[in-house]
Amino acid sequence: AQSVTQLDSQVPVFEEAPVELRCNYSSSVSVYLFWYVQYPNQGLQLLLKYLSGSTLVKGINGFEAEFNKSQTSFHLRKPSVHISDTAEYFCAAGSGSARQLTFGSGTQLTVLP
Amino acid sequence: EAGVAQSPRYKIIEKRQSVAFWCNPISGHATLYWYQQILGQGPKLLIQFQNNGVVDDSQLPKDRFSAERLKGVDSTLKIQPAKLEDSAVYLCASSLVGPNEQFFGPGTRLTVL
Repeated sequence: AQSVTQLDSQVPVFEEAPVELRCNYSSSVSVYLFWYVQYPNQGLQLLLKYLSGSTLVKGINGFEAEFNKSQTSFHLRKPSVHISDTAEYFCAAGSGSARQLTFGSGTQLTVLP
Repeated sequence: EAGVAQSPRYKIIEKRQSVAFWCNPISGHATLYWYQQILGQGPKLLIQFQNNGVVDDSQLPKDRFSAERLKGVDSTLKIQPAKLEDSAVYLCASSLVGPNEQFFGPGTRLTVL
C-alpha cells in the first residue's frame, strides 16, 4: 500500500513570496499523484495531477509540481503567493488497478500580508 | 456540470445514536468513495464502490458502519451506534473509471457528544 508524507504541517509565508510544499511517497512500480486544496468548510479541489508523461505538471491558480522518481517526491511550488492561497493542501498518491488514493496529513499554508 | 452533492452539511448527535449521510455523485461517474477526515488529518478511505458493487471496504468498521449504493447512483453511509471518536468530516467523492481525479463533495461534519 502507498504511504504519503507531507513534511511540513504548517508553512507561513509572506504575500508575493515563493513557496514550496513538500510531499514524498513510497515507491511503487507505477504511481499517480495529485495535489488537492481544501478551503475552510469545503471539500477538496484538485490543483494538479501527474498520471504519466512530462514530469513538470502545471495546475490551476499558478501552481506547479515536479515528479521526481529517484527521490520519490512530488513537491508543489508557486513563484508568488496571494492571500487567497491560504488553505490546507493535501498530497495524494495512488497505484494499481483499484484506483484508490492515499492522502498525506496535509500542510496548512498561511499567506501573511 | 453539477458537482457531488452531500447532505446534511452538519450533524450533531449523542453517542450511541445512529446517523446517516447521503451522497449523489456526478452524473456518469461509476466510482464512488466515502472518506473519513478527522481534524488535522488527511482523508482516509472507508469504502469504494464501482457501480453498485463494493471494490474495497477493508477500512470500514463494519461493526458500526454500513454503506450502500443500491442503484449504482447515490449512496448512503450509516453509523449505528456512534462513538465519540466518529466525530469527523465525512467526504464523498466520485470519479470516472480509471486513474482519474476524484471530485469531492462539501462533506458532512459530524459531532458526537
